[in-house]
Amino acid sequence: ETGVTQTPRHLVMGMTNKKSLKCEQHLGHNAMYWYKQSAKKPLELMFVYNFKEQTENNSVPSRFSPECPNSSHLFLHLHTLQPEDSALYLCASSRGLAGEETQYFGPGTRLLVL
Amino acid sequence: KNEVEQSPQNLTAQEGEFITINCSYSVGISALHWLQQHPGGGIVSLFMLSSGKKKHGRLIATINIQEKHSSLHITASHPRDSAVYICAVLPDSNYQLIWGAGTKLIIKP
Repeated sequence: ETGVTQTPRHLVMGMTNKKSLKCEQHLGHNAMYWYKQSAKKPLELMFVYNFKEQTENNSVPSRFSPECPNSSHLFLHLHTLQPEDSALYLCASSRGLAGEETQYFGPGTRLLVL
Repeated sequence: KNEVEQSPQNLTAQEGEFITINCSYSVGISALHWLQQHPGGGIVSLFMLSSGKKKHGRLIATINIQEKHSSLHITASHPRDSAVYICAVLPDSNYQLIWGAGTKLIIKP
């Protein structure tokens, strides 16, 4: 138990559906991250929030829309996804934004787009 | 070519064996992380190194900054060590980590 929870753990959606992934951290951290992990590939950083403000958007398609209403919650809104978006989506948090900070990961949401 | 390369990609060993996983990188860094990902997805941070060596239980991590190389060792390996081990580096000029693709380790009883 890392103190970071994600729901749902598994999600199957069609290309026309709209769904949202939720991440919550109970660690009092200020920075939160969304990562995409595809099979046998390195983690891809998608979005970074620091004190609720988005600091990075690593060329992520607009069909992924993040939302950070407060430092404890992070959402990833999904719409009109493609089959190649099927992957494990991981949320993480850290005390601060510096790369020396330990990131605490949630268990991930395994997404399948049909 | 990824800036962080891990070897081997896959490793199968018998319980009790000494395990070494390698990470090489091509950029100047200020820190390197080793993480463990169990089946099911959850990732746990094991070490953060900027020089020398760190030890935690049966795990040892070393780094050679001049050679741009780090190793993760597991002594007296056990089936519960089976996981994917991921190396990530923090470049000098950026706070964003660069991730390796991971090494999948299976320890057979």
